[in-house]
Amino acid sequence: EVQLVESGGGLVQPGGSLRLSCAVSGFTLNHYYMSWVRQAPGKGLESVAIIKHDGSEELYVDSVKGRFTIARDNDFLYLQMNNVRGDDTAVYYCATSGGWDLAYWGQGTLVTVSS
Amino acid sequence: DVVMTQSPLSLPVALGQPASISCRSSQSPVSSQGNFYLVWFHQRPGQSPRRLIYNAFNRDSGVPDRFSGSGSGTDFTLKISRVEAEDVGVYYCMQAAHWPCSFGQGTRLEIK
Repeated sequence: EVQLVESGGGLVQPGGSLRLSCAVSGFTLNHYYMSWVRQAPGKGLESVAIIKHDGSEELYVDSVKGRFTIARDNDFLYLQMNNVRGDDTAVYYCATSGGWDLAYWGQGTLVTVSS
Repeated sequence: DVVMTQSPLSLPVALGQPASISCRSSQSPVSSQGNFYLVWFHQRPGQSPRRLIYNAFNRDSGVPDRFSGSGSGTDFTLKISRVEAEDVGVYYCMQAAHWPCSFGQGTRLEIK
């Protein structure tokens, strides 16, 4: 059974940093695309970043380019969030699939950016 | 970026009645192989999204056959043949052909 478990969320001040983790089990990470998707409180879904199954390519939504970095290592997916802003406040989900189509999702971790 | 537009945004439906949600893409989510990378998700309150349909009309494992996806080009539809109580929540379409993958605004289905 595919399982994704996010952690690392919390309260962070504007301009601060946070690293989110996603522990994966039930499948071989190297065969899947891995994504971070976020959902601001009461709002819809937004793709944040995706990393190719072999790690050779990373894509980011414009609003996080230069601030966020997606990475994968063994059975973990990460999102390094630097210079965070108020509009980064959201539940962050990791998700995976053979392509970009997000077959499996974790339960999410809440990031709150506030002073 | 590709804009996904759903309608309606609110959908009250009586139990046992059919429901239909429309999704229009500003750019066709078609691959070079001719597949439509159009996905439908269902999100219940307090839960993560769950994928229901991929490639426009393929149902995921475990998804009841009362759910069906259709469409082509830039116009796609999710249909529920007979709504059940467990179908409440928000439905999202998403195109997975062009980065960034983009979602519709969501359609909230409630029982009338």
